[in-house]
This record gives sequence, structure tokens and C-alpha cells, in this order.
Amino acid sequence: DTGVSQNPRHKITKRGQNVTFRCDPISEHNRLYWYRQTLGQGPEFLTYFQNEAQLEKSRLLSDRFSAERPKGSFSTLEIQRTEQGDSAMYLCASSLVKGTYNSPLHFGNGTRLTVT
Amino acid sequence: GQQLNQSPQSMFIQEGEDVSMNCTSSSIFNTWLWYKQDPGEGPVLLIALYKAGELTSNGRLTAQFGITRKDSFLNISASIPSDVGIYFCAGQLPGAGNQFYFGTGTSLTVIP
Repeated sequence: DTGVSQNPRHKITKRGQNVTFRCDPISEHNRLYWYRQTLGQGPEFLTYFQNEAQLEKSRLLSDRFSAERPKGSFSTLEIQRTEQGDSAMYLCASSLVKGTYNSPLHFGNGTRLTVT
Repeated sequence: GQQLNQSPQSMFIQEGEDVSMNCTSSSIFNTWLWYKQDPGEGPVLLIALYKAGELTSNGRLTAQFGITRKDSFLNISASIPSDVGIYFCAGQLPGAGNQFYFGTGTSLTVIP
């Protein structure tokens, strides 16, 4: 396994368009996280899944954002009616939770979104 | 969300010097992680800490989980040019849904 994979790496879209990003986690990991990162800031939590269940959503995740993980493997993050303020790096991370063991987050290389 | 204060914000050092940075919070965390991020890439895990007082090394890197559980430190010894990047701390609150909160990063520049 080569780690967490995200695509596309870059996306340029016009304001008002919809975009969808994909994340393939490390195969044995049951948790998948989405973070957003803007220039000069640390990653900000958006949402996470345990298997296919979406367990937590940040206030940052407006109703234009939706994330899915239908089979508990890959995940998609969709942004509808994009706004310029959505321009950011969208990072996916995965981890393994087993009983009381919780592995650290392993990140993909992100999708850089630019909304013009 | 939780605020992690990371300092210094940036550092410019000579190759071969040692580096220290830290991360503090007003809340108690049960896990501290340290990451390095290069431009255009995702953060890469450096060290994970799980117990108060724990001191863990990874090559020239050493990190400590503060006794109060509200802080963590990262030291880099004998810096080299490839240490350049942004270093982030991340903490996990106990029983809070297992999300990780990140600091704002320390930008490290190593002058050859």
C-alpha cells in the first residue's frame, strides 16, 4: 500500500460550479478524515468517518459541502456552488482505531482548489 | 475549535544548529503528534506521543509530551538543509470524538 491517495491534485473552477474530490485511504484504516488548509494555517477539521458512518462534522462544513464514504473504503467530498472563499488545500487523512488503540493520522498530498 | 499556540512562528538557523519549538494549549490532550509539511504536499508524521512525560526520538528529532498534558516540544539536533519546511503539532482531546486539532505551524529555514 502506498499511503493515502487523493485526486485530483489540483482543481481550478469557476465560482458557482460544483466540484468533487476523491480520497483513497490506507487499506486497513477504518477512519477517514477531511481537513481544509489555507495558506499560513494549520489543517482545520471538517469531518470524519468510522467505516461508512459519518460521525462528526465541523461547523466549517456548510450545507454546500457533503462527504460520503459509501462502502467504508474511499470517500468523496463535494462542494456545491463554489465560492472564492472555498479556495484552499483539502486534505484527507486516515487512521486505524482498534479497541483502545488509535493510530496517528496519515495524510494524503491534498487537492488544491482554486475558485476563480 | 481548540486553539493550539505554536511557537516560534518562524525560525532562520545555520546548518548544524539545534532547533526547539513548542506547542501549548489551554486544554488537556491525550495524544500529541508532530508533522512536517513541504510546499504543495500533505503533512508527514514525524513523532507520536501518547503519555504525559513521554520522550520519543526519531533520528535527530526528539519530542516530549508535557507533564501537564497541555504542551509538547520538538527538538531537532544538528539541522541540515532538508529540515526546511513547516512543522505542525496536533493534539487530540480525550473523549471528544477523536478529532485532532492543529497548531498554526513553525516555518523552519536552514541556511547552508
